[in-house]
Amino acid sequence: EPEVTQTPSHQVTQMGQEVILRCVPISNHLYFYWYRQILGQKVEFLVSFYNNEISEKSEIFDDQFSVERPDGSNFTLKIRSTKLEDSAMYFCASSEARGRYQETQYFGPGTRLLVL
Amino acid sequence: QKEVEQNSGPLSVPEGAIASLNCTYSDRGSQSFFWYRQYSGKSPELIMSIYSNGDKEDGRFTAQLNKASQYVSLLIRDSQPSDSATYLCAALNNNAGNMLTFGGGTRLMVKP
Repeated sequence: EPEVTQTPSHQVTQMGQEVILRCVPISNHLYFYWYRQILGQKVEFLVSFYNNEISEKSEIFDDQFSVERPDGSNFTLKIRSTKLEDSAMYFCASSEARGRYQETQYFGPGTRLLVL
Repeated sequence: QKEVEQNSGPLSVPEGAIASLNCTYSDRGSQSFFWYRQYSGKSPELIMSIYSNGDKEDGRFTAQLNKASQYVSLLIRDSQPSDSATYLCAALNNNAGNMLTFGGGTRLMVKP
């Protein structure tokens, strides 16, 4: 069964460093998403991406964040200058399309980011 | 502020019983609703989706939606210890980039 994959599974970085989290969405899916979950808190939407541009972004997704689809398979989240409060689990998700029955989002296993 | 609210639990049920999980949402623009299961340290795993008022059954799971009351529920019949997890309710707004808004989750414990 097709699934979303993410690398790395764990990332430890120093405050102020740049990190890139990578995702390979399900191959025939057209919509891509990033969510994050701080330990013990809700899953929070960061950004959605379609047709090589951002569809929607949350207040969390400030200028320190960017997303890119550098090739036909990868989808990346970059955090330019990490802060302690960026420590969280980051989930990538993808969906086939918009519209009923095609909008279900499937989540990858996540990248646990720890900023020291 | 678009909110999805769930009782955090824990909800404790004996093995074989019915577990009832509830969720309310504030955004009337939400058109689709999802239940995900999340084991500790893992990612959300889709259980069911529901789009129309009424009930939808899939195996041991039944989702219920009442848009007038802005209420979604999930029933798990014949609960098993392996069902012990946190259950996340999520609402999707197609007009907001397919953004999913998640509740905080209800922790379910099924005791053998």
